[in-house]
Amino acid sequence: SQQGEEDPQALSIQEGENATMNCSYKTSINNLQWYRQNSGRGLVHLILIRSNEREKHSGRLRVTLDTSKKSSSLLITASRAADTASYFCATFPYNTDKLIFGTGTRLQVFP
Amino acid sequence: KAGVTQTPRYLIKTRGQQVTLSCSPISGHRSVSWYQQTPGQGLQFLFEYFSETQRNKGNFPGRFSGRQFSNSRSEMNVSTLELGDSALYLCASSSQKGAGANVLTFGAGSRLTVL
Repeated sequence: SQQGEEDPQALSIQEGENATMNCSYKTSINNLQWYRQNSGRGLVHLILIRSNEREKHSGRLRVTLDTSKKSSSLLITASRAADTASYFCATFPYNTDKLIFGTGTRLQVFP
Repeated sequence: KAGVTQTPRYLIKTRGQQVTLSCSPISGHRSVSWYQQTPGQGLQFLFEYFSETQRNKGNFPGRFSGRQFSNSRSEMNVSTLELGDSALYLCASSSQKGAGANVLTFGAGSRLTVL
């Protein structure tokens, strides 16, 4: 079963705009990760944020985590056509030793 | 260093057959996890192996099995294939045990089509 659900399911923007994706999850977690998947390929790790962290940056990526609301957001600033991909959040719940993926957001960036 | 290598990349089988997929992790990585990805169910955890031992298993029937060799390479097997087994099977490796605590490096996947 899915631990996380991403919102929106799909997002279309123009190059240069910012893209924001949200992830909600159900149980307490140790960490939350974001991955990107280009069409039909493997996933690429983007960023990991621990449960005691509230915000993390990596290049054009900004991730926030609100454990009280059980939610996270991924912001991609100044998007590029190459950012077109599906983005997944993945959680590491306290009571398991598994990484559980959300449903994903399909991002389309038009040149 | 070489990434995670999965073979074969594409395969077509018929119902009732069995299939074996292979995964070679990044050199030095001892943990290998397997995921099934379908449009309907998304990414579902299958199992994790560390040092030749299965550490975790997802909610899949016994037709799905796996193993890990002493060189950390892993195989998964699906017997008595069903149409619903059509999916992209992804393998991921990490340097330490515990797929949740660590960053995973994924292979490109094996696309299985069951006719």
